[in-house]
Amino acid sequence: DTGVSQNPRHKITKRGQNVTFRCDPISEHNRLYWYRQTLGQGPEFLTYFQNEAQLEKSRLLSDRFSAERPKGSFSTLEIQRTEQGDSAMYLCASSPLSDTQYFGPGTRLTVL
Amino acid sequence: GQQLNQSPQSMFIQEGEDVSMNCTSSSIFNTWLWYKQDPGEGPVLLIALYKAGELTSNGRLTAQFGITRKDSFLNISASIPSDVGIYFCAGQNSGGSNYKLTFGKGTLLTVNP
Repeated sequence: DTGVSQNPRHKITKRGQNVTFRCDPISEHNRLYWYRQTLGQGPEFLTYFQNEAQLEKSRLLSDRFSAERPKGSFSTLEIQRTEQGDSAMYLCASSPLSDTQYFGPGTRLTVL
Repeated sequence: GQQLNQSPQSMFIQEGEDVSMNCTSSSIFNTWLWYKQDPGEGPVLLIALYKAGELTSNGRLTAQFGITRKDSFLNISASIPSDVGIYFCAGQNSGGSNYKLTFGKGTLLTVNP
């Protein structure tokens, strides 16, 4: 399977714990995006990488959130001191230099 | 910020019927896209539109990019049970440094066999 992959698919954690998600984009895609989706809503943009450079962060991305793409391939999204409001589906998408974004299956986070 | 208004919020139809849904924006977009999302999965791209007025088909799906660049519609003909899911429109402004997508809230489609 050469699509975007995300791990884990599901994560349940207690409030205050740190969590980290991983995204492996389609090979050779330069751009990688993170989105968050809550129930009944469409995905909302969080942050964006071109190769290893993080070029934009949404105001949704509080100081507790950090994303990296150290070698311009896979990316990680870490949430520190999780809150119940962080419960959502976290989606990763990648694209080549053209516009079309392809999404992964997402990581469902539940904060108890 | 930009917001997309997608309608209807939900539809319940009989197998074989045609379906139409649309999306409007307060701002213009250079690209309109339509995605389908199944429960617990990520959105899957259905159709991408790159020019105002463009009409594009993908099997039983047809989508159009409005000439004002502020709207788009998606039609599904002869619906089948596997069309069930949530359909999202998304707008994108290519150029500059960011190609982020702005999504509507989705249309939930239920097809009764």
